[in-house]
Amino acid sequence: EVQLLESGGGLVQPGGSLRLSCAASGFTFSNYAMSWVRQTPGKGLEWVSTISGSGASTYYADSVKGRFTISRDNSKNTLFLQINSLGAEDTAVYYCAKTGGYTTQPNDYWGQGTLITVSS
Amino acid sequence: QSALTQPASVSGSPGQSITISCTGTSSDIGAYNSVSWYQQHPGKAPKLMIYDVTKRPSGVSNRFSGSKSGNTASLTISGLQAEDEGDYYCNSYTSSSTWVFGGGTKLTVL
Repeated sequence: EVQLLESGGGLVQPGGSLRLSCAASGFTFSNYAMSWVRQTPGKGLEWVSTISGSGASTYYADSVKGRFTISRDNSKNTLFLQINSLGAEDTAVYYCAKTGGYTTQPNDYWGQGTLITVSS
Repeated sequence: QSALTQPASVSGSPGQSITISCTGTSSDIGAYNSVSWYQQHPGKAPKLMIYDVTKRPSGVSNRFSGSKSGNTASLTISGLQAEDEGDYYCNSYTSSSTWVFGGGTKLTVL
């Protein structure tokens, strides 16, 4: 059974940083591209970033490029998202999601999400 | 990376069919057969219902179907059931090697 468990969210001040983690199990982690998708409370989904199975290729939404860094540790079956220079617009639930394989394939399994609240 | 355009809400009675549209551009929906649809219930993670425009993942009811014409994709739910109520999002791969979601559609089963 595919399981994705996010952690690392919380309350952070504007301008601060956070590192999200996503522990994966139930599939061969290194064979699948992985994504982060966020959802502002009460609003829609926004794709944030995708990383290839090897970690060699990464892609970002324009809204986070230069501030967010996606990475993975295939030896520990863990996905990461380093978030810097946080602003109020980054307040959201952040979901970790597995793709169908390649970065061109959609997300087929999602974690339950971790909430980041940016506030002073 | 403008969001895909979906109606804010649709509704239908049990047993009826409804269709949700999703309009993009020639750089996303019109460029690839990489359109997917997600269902989300309150407080829950999204669930993949349709991928590659028309394909259903294992376990998804055949009451759900997808199609595409030009820059517009559609999700049709036939034989509407109370459990279908929730939010639906379309999603497309883009020519910039990114993904874009629709704004979401709230489905109400009357």
